[in-house]
Amino acid sequence: GQNIDQPTEMTATEGAIVQINCTYQTSGFNGLFWYQQHAGEAPTFLSYNVLDGLEEKGRFSSFLSRSKGYSYLLLKELQMKDSASYLCAVRLHGSGNTGKLIFGQGTTLQVKP
Amino acid sequence: DVKVTQSSRYLVKRTGEKVFLECVQDMDHENMFWYRQDPGLGLRLIYFSYDVKMKEKGDIPEGYSVSREKKERFSLILESASTNQTSMYLCASSPTSGSQETQYFGPGTRLLVL
Repeated sequence: GQNIDQPTEMTATEGAIVQINCTYQTSGFNGLFWYQQHAGEAPTFLSYNVLDGLEEKGRFSSFLSRSKGYSYLLLKELQMKDSASYLCAVRLHGSGNTGKLIFGQGTTLQVKP
Repeated sequence: DVKVTQSSRYLVKRTGEKVFLECVQDMDHENMFWYRQDPGLGLRLIYFSYDVKMKEKGDIPEGYSVSREKKERFSLILESASTNQTSMYLCASSPTSGSQETQYFGPGTRLLVL
């Protein structure tokens, strides 16, 4: 079966750093995505990792260890607008190179002043 | 900008009704997906399509069917709506080429079945 685990909720303070972890056990692996989803809105793409290591993009960074089935999303200099759900998704190989995604349940991050 | 649109943001239907949810993308993407999103369960794949008239079951296809007659349009059909199909439904699309290509999501349809 496919399993992706993330913490359900996290709280952090404006200006701080927060790390959201994601562990996965899937049959096959073809990349890991992080999405941000504000309440009532569509998920939007944040980052993509397919090789081990750290990918940095502004205030957001994402790390992957394929041997450990582990990823994290690091958010620096937190802002109030970062309050949202963060979704970890693993892409499997699929028919016609569809890139089928398996999602974790999402982590709701609340940023407090 | 990639745009994925869904026919309704909110929908209220009665048990037993046939429900159509429409999704349109304007980026000539080959792949299209239908998910439902429920608290504590995350996004779960219902059906996907990698070409016109092609469809494959996702993880929870029971009670749903789909139609893809044109490349830009992917429809989700609830043949006989039930209360356990009350959920947020999200459509997504992605191109085939390029390993880094993400899925682009529509705004979602919140369906309430009474």
